[in-house]
Amino acid sequence: AQTVTQSQPEMSVQEAETVTLSCTYDTSESDYYLFWYKQPPSRQMILVIRQEAYKQQNATENRFSVNFQKAAKSFSLKISDSQLGDAAMYFCAYRHFGNEKLTFGTGTRLTIIP
Amino acid sequence: DADVTQTPRNRITKTGKRIMLECSQTKGHDRMYWYRQDPGLGLRLIYYSFDVKDINKGEISDGYSVSRQAQAKFSLSLESAIPNQTALYFCASKSSANTGELFFGEGSRLTVL
Repeated sequence: AQTVTQSQPEMSVQEAETVTLSCTYDTSESDYYLFWYKQPPSRQMILVIRQEAYKQQNATENRFSVNFQKAAKSFSLKISDSQLGDAAMYFCAYRHFGNEKLTFGTGTRLTIIP
Repeated sequence: DADVTQTPRNRITKTGKRIMLECSQTKGHDRMYWYRQDPGLGLRLIYYSFDVKDINKGEISDGYSVSRQAQAKFSLSLESAIPNQTALYFCASKSSANTGELFFGEGSRLTVL
């Protein structure tokens, strides 16, 4: 069974600095997708970034980028120029190609220090 | 207006009561999902539906049932609520495209006393 591990329950970063959230996953599959979702205090789950396993290039979305290491099964999220609005729970998630189930990690709570 | 709407947003009920959580989406997606979120456990899949006639159990379906009334509507029922069903429940939808992302509602917080 696939598992997703987020080993940092909480992280904090000074406003305007850079922070990296860690995620590792376990799978025997070769075709899959990885996601980072943000859950602000409003509770809604918002997709931050997505990575297809077959793509070697790391995905980027404005201030958000990932470091995808397929052999190491690692998928970290880097947030540059942190802003107060980035404060939220961040969830890493995995989905096998063709499978409907999205497997989530336990989340990392990110605090932004003004 | 939100693309995926859940009602109620918050509900407190008593053990043994029947509860229905409703979800509707305006994205035109054919696939809909119910997830449960517990502190320290992330989100876990309860049920999912590919279309009105195709409903499938997820990893934690015991104690729950669902109904897909239309392409846009997918409700979750707890026939006899128990305290360990206290959680935050999310509905989500997705297109049938394999790369499609999940669009989540704002969640329904259920407390069972």
